[in-house]
Amino acid sequence: GQNIDQPTEMTATEGAIVQINCTYQTSGFNGLFWYQQHAGEAPTFLSYNVLDGLEEKGRFSSFLSRSKGYSYLLLKELQMKDSASYLCAVMDSNYQLIWGAGTKLIIKP
Amino acid sequence: EADIYQTPRYLVIGTGKKITLECSQTMGHDKMYWYQQDPGMELHLIHYSYGVNSTEKGDLSSESTVSRIRTEHFPLTLESARPSHTSQYLCASSGGQFHTDTQYFGPGTRLTVL
Repeated sequence: GQNIDQPTEMTATEGAIVQINCTYQTSGFNGLFWYQQHAGEAPTFLSYNVLDGLEEKGRFSSFLSRSKGYSYLLLKELQMKDSASYLCAVMDSNYQLIWGAGTKLIIKP
Repeated sequence: EADIYQTPRYLVIGTGKKITLECSQTMGHDKMYWYQQDPGMELHLIHYSYGVNSTEKGDLSSESTVSRIRTEHFPLTLESARPSHTSQYLCASSGGQFHTDTQYFGPGTRLTVL
């Protein structure tokens, strides 16, 4: 079966750095997406990785290792508004997105 | 401003009723999707469309149907609502020539079936 694993919840301090991990087992791989979802709202796109390595976009960076079936999202200089769920999704061989349950990130002052 | 819209945002309805959830996008995207999401859980694909008159079932068809008569419009219909249909329904669209293009989401419809 297809499976995406990410921690259920993480807590970090305002101004700090946090890394959210995602491991996956899917039938085929056509890229990995990270989305941010605030409570009661729709997911918003953060990043897309299809090749190994680190992609940096402002305070957010995303890393992919296809051989390990592993990705992480790195958030720097945390702000209170970063409190949200972070969803990892992998596009499989049928170009369907397989979603993780999300990691709820709690930021404390 | 190009966007994706869903109506209603909230709906409370009795068992057995027929309901249609509306989704429209003004981005000219060919591909559109319906997902179901329970709190703290992953998104599940219900239906998708790669263009006008093209619709496919996802892993969770959920006893619902869709139509794609116009590019911008992709309504989802539940013929007979049940309490198990209580959930958040998210519509998304993607453009470009690749299936890997980013999906953009509407605000969602939160459905409660009594």
